[in-house]
Amino acid sequence: QVQLQESAPGLVKPSQTLALTCAVSGASISSGGYAWNWIRQAPGKELEWIGSIHDWGNTDYNPSLRSRVTISVDKTRNQFSLKMTSVTVADTAVYFCARGSTSWRSFEFWGQGTLVTVSS
Amino acid sequence: DIQMTQSPSSLSASVGDRVTITCQASQDIGNYLSWYQQKPGKAPKLLISDASVLKRGAPSRFSGRGSGTVFTFTISGLQSEDFATYYCQHYSSLPMYTFGQGTNVDVK
Repeated sequence: QVQLQESAPGLVKPSQTLALTCAVSGASISSGGYAWNWIRQAPGKELEWIGSIHDWGNTDYNPSLRSRVTISVDKTRNQFSLKMTSVTVADTAVYFCARGSTSWRSFEFWGQGTLVTVSS
Repeated sequence: DIQMTQSPSSLSASVGDRVTITCQASQDIGNYLSWYQQKPGKAPKLLISDASVLKRGAPSRFSGRGSGTVFTFTISGLQSEDFATYYCQHYSSLPMYTFGQGTNVDVK
């Protein structure tokens, strides 16, 4: 069974860079065929797709966040990461990592999520 | 941008009830529509993909229908473990993924 686990600092100050990592077990990112995603959910709000990366390194981003977001993959550690620059209080959210389905059209496996609070 | 409008935003129901949620797209999206269940403090769980394909292992009381711009998600015989928030989600080939606003199903 594919399992994903996010790790994050918990508290980030405004204007700083947020960095999260998603460790994958039960599957190898290198095996290919899937998109590895970051999704977030602000308190009481709907889900928002941030972006995705494929095993060959191709990335796609939500246009509303593209200028501040970078997703990378470390196949030797079987994990992928998210960096978001110039954060504000509006970036306070639960951040989820997720593996896409074989069709890439939905999100089949999710991490438990980690709350990141942006506050001075 | 394609907008997804989900309704109702909340509903109250009893165990055994039939519950239907609607998701409307601002333009034709074919069948690129998925449905998720989310419980408080948990990650969403995929139930339906491609508008009507039930995920393996998901209970058969969950079903989805529709194509084009109007989609429905139905729970036939609500169970106690089904009280949760449900989201629709659209995929476009840009790619871009857009979620609906969610429907909270609670106890009547």
